[in-house]
Amino acid sequence: DVKVTQSSRYLVKRTGEKVFLECVQDMDHENMFWYRQDPGLGLRLIYFSYDVKMKEKGDIPEGYSVSREKKERFSLILESASTNQTSMYLCASSTRTGGFQPQHFGDGTRLSIL
Amino acid sequence: ILNVEQSPQSLHVQEGDSTNFTCSFPSSNFYALHWYRWETAKSPEALFVMTLNGDEKKKGRISATLNTKEGYSYLYIKGSQPEDSATYLCAFIDRGSTLGRLYFGRGTQLTVWP
Repeated sequence: DVKVTQSSRYLVKRTGEKVFLECVQDMDHENMFWYRQDPGLGLRLIYFSYDVKMKEKGDIPEGYSVSREKKERFSLILESASTNQTSMYLCASSTRTGGFQPQHFGDGTRLSIL
Repeated sequence: ILNVEQSPQSLHVQEGDSTNFTCSFPSSNFYALHWYRWETAKSPEALFVMTLNGDEKKKGRISATLNTKEGYSYLYIKGSQPEDSATYLCAFIDRGSTLGRLYFGRGTQLTVWP
């Protein structure tokens, strides 16, 4: 089974802090994704990556950056955390063939910015 | 941003009831449609990947149909059980999208009462 592991289930940070969310997958998937989920809004794509050091903006990239230095690891960075970034963050991975295979998700990180 | 609509937003049924919900998506440039189940405190789990008009898929008591020409998919649950309680997400992949990125609907939250 594919395993996607996110570093924390719950995280509390203060406004202005730089926050790192880490995601690791063990199935040699090329594609990795970061989403946030807010009540009533569904899953929204922040960034995705299709290869090491490659990244693409999703629908809501403002205030975030990403890093993919190794194939198995995809980090989401909140450069200067703000209260409107309080949310559930989900990481996912998939094979390069993309749409014909499902995405595999981590358990999520519930982030609170105080 | 592509518009993917799910209805109803929430649904409450009694154990043993059969139920269905709808996912609507753009009918042009169809590539694939995914269904996921997301139980509370767990990660989203893929149910189906559907790619051909007229596709019907089944997994136990859950089945799905696809109409790409009119842009909708139905998810059916036969004889609902309390363990079916979850949010059901559909996600559309556009033929022009890079690398299989998903556009999610807001989900249908199903509660099955014993």
